[in-house]
Amino acid sequence: DVKVTQSSRYLVKRTGEKVFLECVQDMDHENMFWYRQDPGLGLRLIYFSYDVKMKEKGDIPEGYSVSREKKERFSLILESASTNQTSMYLCASSPGLAVKNIQYFGAGTRLSVL
Amino acid sequence: AQKITQTQPGMFVQEKEAVTLDCTYDTSDPSYGLFWYKQPSSGEMIFLIYQGSYDQQNATEGRYSLNFQKARKSANLVISASQLGDSAMYFCAMREAPLSNFGNEKLTFGTGTRLTIIP
Repeated sequence: DVKVTQSSRYLVKRTGEKVFLECVQDMDHENMFWYRQDPGLGLRLIYFSYDVKMKEKGDIPEGYSVSREKKERFSLILESASTNQTSMYLCASSPGLAVKNIQYFGAGTRLSVL
Repeated sequence: AQKITQTQPGMFVQEKEAVTLDCTYDTSDPSYGLFWYKQPSSGEMIFLIYQGSYDQQNATEGRYSLNFQKARKSANLVISASQLGDSAMYFCAMREAPLSNFGNEKLTFGTGTRLTIIP
Protein backbone atom coordinates (compact mmCIF):
# COMPACT_ATOMS: atom_id res chain seq x y z
CA ASP A 1 0.00 0.00 0.00
CA VAL A 2 1.06 3.55 -0.70
CA LYS A 3 1.99 5.44 2.40
CA VAL A 4 2.08 9.21 2.56
CA THR A 5 3.07 10.45 5.99
CA GLN A 6 2.70 13.99 7.25
CA SER A 7 4.85 14.78 10.26
CA SER A 8 2.17 16.44 12.38
CA ARG A 9 -1.61 16.04 12.66
CA TYR A 10 -2.05 19.26 14.63
CA LEU A 11 0.18 22.31 14.84
CA VAL A 12 -0.23 25.61 16.67
CA LYS A 13 2.08 28.50 15.74
CA ARG A 14 2.29 32.21 16.39
CA THR A 15 2.04 34.96 13.79
CA GLY A 16 5.42 35.64 12.20
CA GLU A 17 6.92 32.24 12.97
CA LYS A 18 8.59 30.19 10.27
CA VAL A 19 6.68 26.94 9.87
CA PHE A 20 7.77 23.70 8.23
CA LEU A 21 5.28 21.03 7.19
CA GLU A 22 6.93 17.77 6.23
CA CYS A 23 5.66 15.03 3.96
CA VAL A 24 7.25 11.66 3.16
CA GLN A 25 6.08 9.01 0.68
CA ASP A 26 7.40 5.47 0.48
CA MET A 27 6.39 4.43 -3.05
CA ASP A 28 9.11 6.09 -5.12
CA HIS A 29 6.57 8.43 -6.68
CA GLU A 30 7.77 11.12 -9.06
CA ASN A 31 5.15 13.74 -8.21
CA MET A 32 4.32 15.34 -4.90
CA PHE A 33 1.75 18.00 -4.06
CA TRP A 34 0.69 20.36 -1.30
CA TYR A 35 -2.95 21.38 -1.00
CA ARG A 36 -4.82 23.61 1.34
CA GLN A 37 -8.39 22.72 2.37
CA ASP A 38 -10.86 25.28 3.67
CA PRO A 39 -14.60 24.81 4.31
CA GLY A 40 -16.69 25.63 1.25
CA LEU A 41 -13.62 25.98 -0.97
CA GLY A 42 -12.57 22.37 -1.48
CA LEU A 43 -8.87 21.63 -2.00
CA ARG A 44 -6.65 24.21 -3.62
CA LEU A 45 -3.19 23.43 -4.97
CA ILE A 46 -0.35 25.41 -3.42
CA TYR A 47 2.72 23.86 -5.07
CA PHE A 48 3.71 20.63 -6.74
CA SER A 49 6.95 18.94 -7.69
CA TYR A 50 7.56 16.49 -10.53
CA ASP A 51 11.20 15.75 -9.70
CA VAL A 52 13.86 16.37 -7.08
CA LYS A 53 14.68 20.07 -6.82
CA MET A 54 11.88 20.90 -9.29
CA LYS A 55 8.75 22.78 -8.31
CA GLU A 56 5.78 24.40 -9.94
CA LYS A 57 3.38 26.97 -8.53
CA GLY A 58 -0.18 25.90 -8.06
CA ASP A 59 -3.23 28.10 -7.75
CA ILE A 60 -2.41 29.80 -4.42
CA PRO A 61 1.39 29.91 -3.92
CA GLU A 62 1.55 33.32 -2.26
CA GLY A 63 3.01 33.17 1.23
CA TYR A 64 4.40 29.66 0.75
CA SER A 65 7.55 28.02 -0.53
CA VAL A 66 8.56 24.38 -0.94
CA SER A 67 11.63 22.22 -0.89
CA ARG A 68 12.30 18.82 -2.44
CA GLU A 69 15.88 17.75 -1.80
CA LYS A 70 15.10 14.03 -1.86
CA LYS A 71 12.58 12.15 -3.95
CA GLU A 72 10.58 10.88 -0.99
CA ARG A 73 10.31 14.15 0.93
CA PHE A 74 8.42 17.34 0.09
CA SER A 75 8.36 20.22 2.55
CA LEU A 76 5.98 23.17 2.69
CA ILE A 77 7.39 26.32 4.27
CA LEU A 78 5.51 29.28 5.64
CA GLU A 79 8.24 31.93 5.87
CA SER A 80 6.22 34.17 8.19
CA ALA A 81 2.97 32.58 9.29
CA SER A 82 -0.17 34.69 9.28
CA THR A 83 -3.62 34.07 10.72
CA ASN A 84 -5.10 33.66 7.24
CA GLN A 85 -2.91 30.60 6.80
CA THR A 86 -4.86 28.75 9.48
CA SER A 87 -6.13 25.76 7.54
CA MET A 88 -5.90 22.03 6.85
CA TYR A 89 -2.87 21.13 4.74
CA LEU A 90 -2.82 17.93 2.71
CA CYS A 91 0.15 16.35 1.01
CA ALA A 92 -0.22 13.92 -1.91
CA SER A 93 1.98 11.90 -4.25
CA SER A 94 1.42 10.20 -7.61
CA PRO A 95 3.52 7.85 -9.74
CA GLY A 96 4.11 10.17 -12.70
CA LEU A 97 3.89 8.03 -15.80
CA ALA A 98 0.60 6.21 -15.51
CA VAL A 99 -2.74 6.44 -17.26
CA LYS A 100 -4.76 7.09 -14.14
CA ASN A 101 -1.94 8.66 -12.15
CA ILE A 102 -3.91 8.53 -8.94
CA GLN A 103 -2.91 10.95 -6.22
CA TYR A 104 -2.54 9.38 -2.78
CA PHE A 105 -2.97 11.59 0.23
CA GLY A 106 -1.61 11.85 3.73
CA ALA A 107 -3.82 12.29 6.79
CA GLY A 108 -3.42 16.07 6.79
CA THR A 109 -1.99 18.68 9.15
CA ARG A 110 -4.40 21.05 10.84
CA LEU A 111 -2.46 24.28 11.35
CA SER A 112 -3.64 27.07 13.64
CA VAL A 113 -1.81 30.40 13.52
CA LEU A 114 -2.54 32.60 16.53
CA ALA B 1 -16.13 29.75 -14.02
CA GLN B 2 -16.10 26.73 -11.75
CA LYS B 3 -14.42 23.76 -13.35
CA ILE B 4 -15.97 21.26 -10.95
CA THR B 5 -19.40 21.85 -9.45
CA GLN B 6 -20.92 19.82 -6.65
CA THR B 7 -24.36 21.27 -5.96
CA GLN B 8 -25.22 19.24 -2.87
CA PRO B 9 -23.46 20.62 0.24
CA GLY B 10 -25.06 17.94 2.40
CA MET B 11 -27.16 14.80 2.07
CA PHE B 12 -28.92 12.51 4.53
CA VAL B 13 -29.64 8.97 3.39
CA GLN B 14 -31.17 5.95 5.09
CA GLU B 15 -28.83 3.01 5.59
CA LYS B 16 -28.99 0.40 2.80
CA GLU B 17 -30.41 2.84 0.30
CA ALA B 18 -28.52 3.82 -2.87
CA VAL B 19 -26.97 7.28 -3.02
CA THR B 20 -26.16 9.51 -5.98
CA LEU B 21 -23.70 12.36 -5.50
CA ASP B 22 -23.74 14.93 -8.29
CA CYS B 23 -20.73 16.34 -10.10
CA THR B 24 -20.61 18.46 -13.23
CA TYR B 25 -17.42 19.66 -14.87
CA ASP B 26 -16.30 22.18 -17.42
CA THR B 27 -13.41 21.65 -19.81
CA SER B 28 -12.58 22.19 -23.45
CA ASP B 29 -9.88 19.52 -23.48
CA PRO B 30 -10.88 16.29 -25.26
CA SER B 31 -8.65 14.27 -22.92
CA TYR B 32 -9.32 14.43 -19.19
CA GLY B 33 -9.81 12.24 -16.15
CA LEU B 34 -12.40 12.38 -13.41
CA PHE B 35 -11.84 11.19 -9.84
CA TRP B 36 -13.89 10.72 -6.70
CA TYR B 37 -12.35 10.85 -3.25
CA LYS B 38 -13.82 10.15 0.19
CA GLN B 39 -12.70 12.08 3.26
CA PRO B 40 -13.81 10.62 6.60
CA SER B 41 -13.64 12.68 9.77
CA SER B 42 -10.07 11.42 10.27
CA GLY B 43 -9.02 13.74 7.43
CA GLU B 44 -7.31 11.43 4.97
CA MET B 45 -8.48 11.62 1.35
CA ILE B 46 -9.23 8.14 0.04
CA PHE B 47 -9.33 7.47 -3.70
CA LEU B 48 -12.57 5.74 -4.76
CA ILE B 49 -12.94 5.63 -8.53
CA TYR B 50 -11.58 6.99 -11.82
CA GLN B 51 -13.17 7.65 -15.22
CA GLY B 52 -11.17 8.59 -18.30
CA SER B 53 -12.80 10.76 -20.95
CA TYR B 54 -12.20 8.11 -23.62
CA ASP B 55 -13.40 5.18 -21.52
CA GLN B 56 -16.30 3.51 -23.25
CA GLN B 57 -17.88 2.07 -20.15
CA ASN B 58 -18.80 3.60 -16.83
CA ALA B 59 -16.25 2.84 -14.12
CA THR B 60 -17.17 0.53 -11.25
CA GLU B 61 -15.29 -0.35 -8.05
CA GLY B 62 -17.22 -2.60 -5.70
CA ARG B 63 -20.22 -0.64 -4.36
CA TYR B 64 -19.09 2.49 -6.20
CA SER B 65 -19.98 3.28 -9.78
CA LEU B 66 -19.61 6.40 -11.84
CA ASN B 67 -22.51 7.55 -14.00
CA PHE B 68 -20.54 9.27 -16.76
CA GLN B 69 -22.60 11.37 -19.18
CA LYS B 70 -20.07 13.02 -21.43
CA ALA B 71 -22.45 15.18 -23.43
CA ARG B 72 -23.90 16.62 -20.23
CA LYS B 73 -20.44 16.89 -18.65
CA SER B 74 -21.55 15.07 -15.57
CA ALA B 75 -19.82 12.38 -13.54
CA ASN B 76 -22.11 11.38 -10.69
CA LEU B 77 -20.96 8.91 -8.04
CA VAL B 78 -23.41 6.16 -7.16
CA ILE B 79 -23.01 4.23 -3.92
CA SER B 80 -25.14 1.12 -3.72
CA ALA B 81 -26.46 -0.31 -0.45
CA SER B 82 -25.11 2.50 1.72
CA GLN B 83 -23.47 1.71 5.06
CA LEU B 84 -22.87 3.77 8.19
CA GLY B 85 -19.18 3.85 7.31
CA ASP B 86 -20.01 5.73 4.13
CA SER B 87 -20.67 8.87 6.17
CA ALA B 88 -17.96 11.30 5.03
CA MET B 89 -17.17 14.21 2.74
CA TYR B 90 -17.00 13.28 -0.94
CA PHE B 91 -15.01 15.23 -3.48
CA CYS B 92 -15.13 15.13 -7.26
CA ALA B 93 -11.94 16.14 -9.08
CA MET B 94 -10.75 16.55 -12.66
CA ARG B 95 -7.39 16.33 -14.36
CA GLU B 96 -7.17 18.05 -17.74
CA ALA B 97 -4.62 17.36 -20.48
CA PRO B 98 -2.40 20.43 -20.82
CA LEU B 99 0.00 21.45 -23.57
CA SER B 100 3.08 20.70 -21.49
CA ASN B 101 3.96 17.41 -19.93
CA PHE B 102 4.49 18.74 -16.48
CA GLY B 103 1.08 20.17 -15.78
CA ASN B 104 -1.01 17.11 -16.43
CA GLU B 105 -0.91 15.97 -12.84
CA LYS B 106 -2.88 18.86 -11.46
CA LEU B 107 -6.29 18.06 -10.03
CA THR B 108 -9.08 20.58 -9.68
CA PHE B 109 -11.47 19.73 -6.85
CA GLY B 110 -15.09 20.56 -6.22
CA THR B 111 -16.28 21.92 -2.89
CA GLY B 112 -17.52 18.55 -1.71
CA THR B 113 -20.72 16.91 -0.47
CA ARG B 114 -21.12 15.84 3.14
CA LEU B 115 -22.97 12.52 3.20
CA THR B 116 -24.59 11.30 6.40
CA ILE B 117 -26.00 7.78 6.56
CA ILE B 118 -28.87 7.40 9.01
CA PRO B 119 -29.32 4.03 10.78
